[in-house]
Amino acid sequence: TQLLEQSPQFLSIQEGENLTVYCNSSSVFSSLQWYRQEPGEGPVLLVTVVTGGEVKKLKRLTFQFGDARKDSSLHITAAQPGDTGLYLCAGTRGADGLTFGKGTHLIIQP
Amino acid sequence: EAGVAQSPRYKIIEKRQSVAFWCNPISGHATLYWYQQILGQGPKLLIQFQNNGVVDDSQLPKDRFSAERLKGVDSTLKIQPAKLEDSAVYLCASSFSTSGSAPYEQYFGPGTRLTVT
Repeated sequence: TQLLEQSPQFLSIQEGENLTVYCNSSSVFSSLQWYRQEPGEGPVLLVTVVTGGEVKKLKRLTFQFGDARKDSSLHITAAQPGDTGLYLCAGTRGADGLTFGKGTHLIIQP
Repeated sequence: EAGVAQSPRYKIIEKRQSVAFWCNPISGHATLYWYQQILGQGPKLLIQFQNNGVVDDSQLPKDRFSAERLKGVDSTLKIQPAKLEDSAVYLCASSFSTSGSAPYEQYFGPGTRLTVT
């Protein structure tokens, strides 16, 4: 059973379009993180959200943590080819290691 | 600041052989993690160290996998004997925080891609 479900699994869109990817769970997490991973590299942290309902912006990326701290979304405005990659959400319940979702493979076509 | 170092970057072995991976975390990071990432999936935690002690190894297949962090700095992960299903990328990560404090950022190394034939 996958604790964190990410959707969609694959997404290919044109440059300039907007998109949203989702991370859902039936479990409550004390914090949730979003990572971006490129081929041949380890994941790189984009953001950590802690408070239910929290919204964080990182340039064209907007991250939201659900009120019940069970789900999160990542919205990208005016996507660019450099946004291409594997986007992973990961939750933690205290000092445990991260529990990752399977990721969303995003391709932005020029 | 130097990142998390891992070696080798690639390894190809035959099933039933042994293999070892090495990780050197960021200086001063107390916590070290080993993850297994199978193609098309997110990383799965294998083991977490706090200094040189094991915090969580509940998902480590202990009949064939072992890991140590003897001096609380670098770490090795060993597989003996390897199976076909062990083909994956093995990621090492480290974080500054000590057990009991969260949230915290984990910094990942580039990983070791293992192919078992």
